[in-house]
Amino acid sequence: RKEVEQDPGPFNVPEGATVAFNCTYSNSASQSFFWYRQDCRKEPKLLMSVYSSGNEDGRFTAQLNRASQYISLLIRDSKLSDSATYLCVVKQGAQKLVFGQGTRLTINP
Amino acid sequence: EAGVAQSPRYKIIEKRQSVAFWCNPISGHATLYWYQQILGQGPKLLIQFQNNGVVDDSQLPKDRFSAERLKGVDSTLKIQPAKLEDSAVYLCASSRTEEGYTFGSGTRLTVV
Repeated sequence: RKEVEQDPGPFNVPEGATVAFNCTYSNSASQSFFWYRQDCRKEPKLLMSVYSSGNEDGRFTAQLNRASQYISLLIRDSKLSDSATYLCVVKQGAQKLVFGQGTRLTINP
Repeated sequence: EAGVAQSPRYKIIEKRQSVAFWCNPISGHATLYWYQQILGQGPKLLIQFQNNGVVDDSQLPKDRFSAERLKGVDSTLKIQPAKLEDSAVYLCASSRTEEGYTFGSGTRLTVV
């Protein structure tokens, strides 16, 4: 079983739609959780951290369910510029980040 | 602040040849990581350094891959000999705090 599992997609949604991604992780001792964004042929960049209480950054909302070992990302009012691969990331041990496969999102005009 | 610098950006080699990648982390970042990202997959950690000591190299194929971080600053990752399945983007990242993880632009390796 993979340590971090994501649906690879691709997700194709119209501009303005709401889209949600999910991710599960296997190690219950995982400490911190993140969503990274990766544009085509670019390096991953931190999008947002994920907290148990849920957190929001503009159109983006992230949630964590530790009991179910489940992380989600919701994008509201999607923009063309949101097209990218979204990587679910879990921190284990001493600053080691474990990445999921990534979910590819394309926003269509 | 300047970002994580990596070179070269691209490299094409034949199988069984050797190749080396270089990384210069952000100044003051004690922790340095090398990740391998195969097309269509997420990055996979190869090795993690804290200053010039190895913290985790459990997923580094040590029969052909080696890495060093002399003086706790720059790092090099070497593959000798390369195989076709080593074709990937090799990403270097550095961090100072628990959450501040910055990636370089990566080196895209093609083994033919």
